[in-house]
Amino acid sequence: DAKTTQPPSMDCAEGRAANLPCNHSTISGNEYVYWYRQIHSQGPQYIIHGLKNNETNEMASLIITEDRKSSTLILPHATLRDTAVYYCIVRVAFNNNNDMRFGAGTRLTVKP
Amino acid sequence: DTEVTQTPKHLVMGMTNKKSLKCEQHMGHRAMYWYKQKAKKPPELMFVYSYEKLSINESVPSRFSPECPNSSLLNLHLHALQPEDSALYLCASSQGGGRTLGNTIYFGEGSWLTVV
Repeated sequence: DAKTTQPPSMDCAEGRAANLPCNHSTISGNEYVYWYRQIHSQGPQYIIHGLKNNETNEMASLIITEDRKSSTLILPHATLRDTAVYYCIVRVAFNNNNDMRFGAGTRLTVKP
Repeated sequence: DTEVTQTPKHLVMGMTNKKSLKCEQHMGHRAMYWYKQKAKKPPELMFVYSYEKLSINESVPSRFSPECPNSSLLNLHLHALQPEDSALYLCASSQGGGRTLGNTIYFGEGSWLTVV
């Protein structure tokens, strides 16, 4: 699986959009971009994933650049409960070994 | 329903004890995982089971012994652990197996293990 690079920490004001970047310049054509978050002392929570088109669900939007070498997770109206570590992970779409490995992630702090 | 249930939530054990962590899912998933997470670090993959067979062992010491009795259950047997094994142990599951598109993994809340 390709490696990812994320900023170690970010701050965001409550009610504003939080834009979390991720670089994955060595991504392969069959690899998806996944985002998870982990709120303190809880298990990681799935947020969203995509291959090349932008994706949106009730939690967030995922914007993937045309060359697929980077992506941005957008939380449109951040709340204090969105304070967490956010992990960007790329992994093959068809994964016979079913593995997923985490990088260091971005610690997002939403401030009042 | 995307629920993975782990028990116990907290476990304190001595270095000579034998204990087990348990994980259960009823989503029909055929892949199950154990991760270990130390404080302020990302989760580290330990084991993966696919269709009840061990498919990945990330060179984990033998004092950790996984078991998958059936497709819904995953155990992690612990024996002769060291204090540095104290961590959050996360179980996860996914549809898994073979050529599964967009194979999303769902996590439990974890079991906090303290070795004294």
